[in-house]
Amino acid sequence: QQQVKQSPQSLIVQKGGISIINCAYENTAFDYFPWYQQFPGKGPALLIAIRPDVSEKKEGRFTISFNKSAKQFSLHIMDSQPGDSATYFCAASMQGGKLIFGQGTELSVKP
Amino acid sequence: NAGVTQTPKFQVLKTGQSMTLQCAQDMNHNSMYWYRQDPGMGLRLIYYSASEGTTDKGEVPNGYNVSRLNKREFSLRLESAAPSQTSVYFCASSGRGGTGYNSPLHFGNGTRLTVT
Repeated sequence: QQQVKQSPQSLIVQKGGISIINCAYENTAFDYFPWYQQFPGKGPALLIAIRPDVSEKKEGRFTISFNKSAKQFSLHIMDSQPGDSATYFCAASMQGGKLIFGQGTELSVKP
Repeated sequence: NAGVTQTPKFQVLKTGQSMTLQCAQDMNHNSMYWYRQDPGMGLRLIYYSASEGTTDKGEVPNGYNVSRLNKREFSLRLESAAPSQTSVYFCASSGRGGTGYNSPLHFGNGTRLTVT
């Protein structure tokens, strides 16, 4: 019940396209859903986060869509750029507790 | 502002050797964490410290020990390294009340450990 399942494991998108990464969770007590971006040789860095009381959050080209009834949330990267090539992790936590991470998605944006 | 600093960046050990991974944060955060990252497994929590003076086991604590030396520093020790501990280790910290919308997790740049 503590798991966060992420898909796909890898994704190749053409420059200018839309990248979509999906996550599913079981624990309805989760109240914080962040996405982290990791470049090779670096630690993960917070990209965008959402609370379960909203269905969508947008920051620039990055959007989180949240479906509470389906217990799913996704990251959409609009107008994908080669500089977006990185590993992306979804995560979830409840009431300030420990973050549970998904398995990660390796995104490659081709010029 | 350095954030979370980890040392060393790289390390090669032989099976049975011991070592300590060091971590320090300068953000005055209460909570600190050790994760390991393996391909296809995501980030898995080894140990965490909710506040100075406390430590708790995470998802994969076997073979590791930790010390919260003070508010800034949180070390991870491998007493007798095994090849299964070959991984990238990340230290992270967050503010008061653990990880949440107002206290996101901040990561260091990792220690890449190989055990032969």
